[in-house]
Amino acid sequence: QSALTQPPSASGSPGQSVTISCTGTSSDVGGYNYVSWYQQHPGKAPKLMIYEVSKRPSGVPDRFSGSKSGNTASLTVSGLQAEDEADYYCSSYAGSNNFYVFGTGTKVTVL
Amino acid sequence: QLQLQESGSGLVKPSQTLSLTCAVSGGSISSGGYSWSWIRQPPGKGLEWIGYIYHSGSTYYNPSLKSRVTISVDRSKNQFSLKLSSVTAADTAVYYCARGRPRNYFDYWGQGTLVTVSS
Repeated sequence: QSALTQPPSASGSPGQSVTISCTGTSSDVGGYNYVSWYQQHPGKAPKLMIYEVSKRPSGVPDRFSGSKSGNTASLTVSGLQAEDEADYYCSSYAGSNNFYVFGTGTKVTVL
Repeated sequence: QLQLQESGSGLVKPSQTLSLTCAVSGGSISSGGYSWSWIRQPPGKGLEWIGYIYHSGSTYYNPSLKSRVTISVDRSKNQFSLKLSSVTAADTAVYYCARGRPRNYFDYWGQGTLVTVSS
């Protein structure tokens, strides 16, 4: 099972928006609405930001939003803030044989 | 507030077995509807799901690691464990334990523990 494809990096100025893509196949991203997104600051554990494509856990700012079209999911961070600078990983359920697959990760830089 | 804490050997020799434990506090590992996973991250690289144990005791493993992985639970101690056999340098990583919803997301994570495979 191959990792989901994410761009290595993305950037934006404070207040701007950045969108990160996560491309898989019909066996994972395209086949299930079980896409989640994680934020990871250096030396820290990942933190759940989005689940089931577009739902936000309690406590996650509504600046974070998710969507999906076909085999590609996206995470948009609006109104970028300095603390949003981190690595972001997508994940998808991949069926009863492969279960979970993560994305390659995207480093978001706030300029 | 649920908390997870990994513990175990930080240095393992090649061909030996890596053993880690995840202690869960602030909630019961026997609570229905949750999975208890191990996920790892090689230095400077991405995340890889290793496997999980369900509250019922059923286990599910990453096919690429299945032949070397065993995940078990000790309900009396409210903890679950990982054993990875025949390790090589490629198994050097930060190992995280996490709670999740089966087939879905991981909502609580431990802080992670670095395991280095070296002679």
